Amino acid sequence: LAKTTQPISMDSYEGQEVNITCSHNNIATNDYITWYQQFPSQGPRFIIQGYKTKVTNEVASLFIPADRKSSTLSLPRVSLSDTAVYYCLVGDSPPKRDDKIIFGKGTRLHILP
Amino acid sequence: EPEVTQTPSHQVTQMGQEVILRCVPISNHLYFYWYRQILGQKVEFLVSFYNNEISEKSEIFDDQFSVERPDGSNFTLKIRSTKLEDSAMYFCASSVARGNEQFFGPGTRLTVL
Repeated sequence: LAKTTQPISMDSYEGQEVNITCSHNNIATNDYITWYQQFPSQGPRFIIQGYKTKVTNEVASLFIPADRKSSTLSLPRVSLSDTAVYYCLVGDSPPKRDDKIIFGKGTRLHILP
Repeated sequence: EPEVTQTPSHQVTQMGQEVILRCVPISNHLYFYWYRQILGQKVEFLVSFYNNEISEKSEIFDDQFSVERPDGSNFTLKIRSTKLEDSAMYFCASSVARGNEQFFGPGTRLTVL
């Protein structure tokens, strides 16, 4: 599994766009980039997954440059309810050997009023 | 929208007692997982389960732990003799296929006294 590095914490204000960048220098050709979100006292929740360029859904956008050594999760116009921990994961999709999710420490996003 | 449910939401037990944590995965899902999260720490994989047998387990999942799918809907995690360090949030997850998005339940907070 490729190692990922993301900021430990970030603060932002309501209405702002938030970008969380994840570094994954050792990403393999078959690896996908997946982001999960975890609200306090809840289980993680899948947000978005991508392989290259840009992916957008109703929750977020994921930007992946051509070298794929990093990715940026973009949350448009955040609200207080976006306060959560955001996990960047890199691995096969679908995985060839194991299907467990290895969570890092994630980025603790705190939205301020 | 279908969701994973877990009971109880909070379980308090004495050290050395047996506990059973229950999960009802999403009905058409075939892959089931247990994770745990000690307060303030990362979400950790415990075990994955498919076709009525364990697919993979972590080092945490020792002989004190067992999983079972006793009927067509429930998926349980049993801890035979609880220790203080078993106090954590336990999350059940399920996915429709290997490597697909995992859907997490709300968790059971286990407190061992």
